[in-house]
Amino acid sequence: ELVMTQSPATLSVSPGERATLSCRASQSIGGNLAWYQQKPGQAPRLLIYVASTRATGIPARFSGSGSGTEFTLTISSLQSEDFAVYYCQQYNIWPPGTFGQGTKVEIK
Amino acid sequence: QVQLQESGPGLVKPSETLSLTCTVSNGSISSYYWSWIRQPPGKGLEWIGYIYYSGSTYYNPSLKSRVTISVDTSKNQFSLKVTSVTAADTAVYYCARGGVAVAAATLFDYWGQGTLVTVSS
Repeated sequence: ELVMTQSPATLSVSPGERATLSCRASQSIGGNLAWYQQKPGQAPRLLIYVASTRATGIPARFSGSGSGTEFTLTISSLQSEDFAVYYCQQYNIWPPGTFGQGTKVEIK
Repeated sequence: QVQLQESGPGLVKPSETLSLTCTVSNGSISSYYWSWIRQPPGKGLEWIGYIYYSGSTYYNPSLKSRVTISVDTSKNQFSLKVTSVTAADTAVYYCARGGVAVAAATLFDYWGQGTLVTVSS
């Protein structure tokens, strides 16, 4: 069974600083990796797909990288609206739709 | 832009069947994959299963024996049934749109707002 592992569980960052979130797959998923942002009481929002392509309307401060089993989401300069929980998800290896457990980005 | 709205009872008794419907507006249900995802309070996201507009379905193996997803293209709706529910099925249930190709069936670009379903007597 494919497992997605995110680290760290919580990341404390000051506004304006860079945040780096990691996601590891238990087996190779190629580039079929997405990142979602979820704020309290809201549905997740697609940020990145195919590991590094920003979804429509996503600011350039969000960037994704990686392939195979190791992936990274970078937020170059954290804005107040970026404090949220971030999930990675693989979408092509059966069973599809496997999410990581999430990384909470909180204000330092 | 496409909008999704979940509807159904917010309270279900243990051992009964949970039933939810997702209505798609400002877009056609045709040509896409449509999923249900759930999130227990304070926890992460779990994909439940998807349906193609033609009616073919795929379910998460962890829930497959209790889950049925169906589609009604005439109403631009798809539905979820989970049988024999327990407290562990208490969660916010989301419907979401996947891609047009099976390789992106669970790449979700539009989500409903979610609906909390509590399993309790």
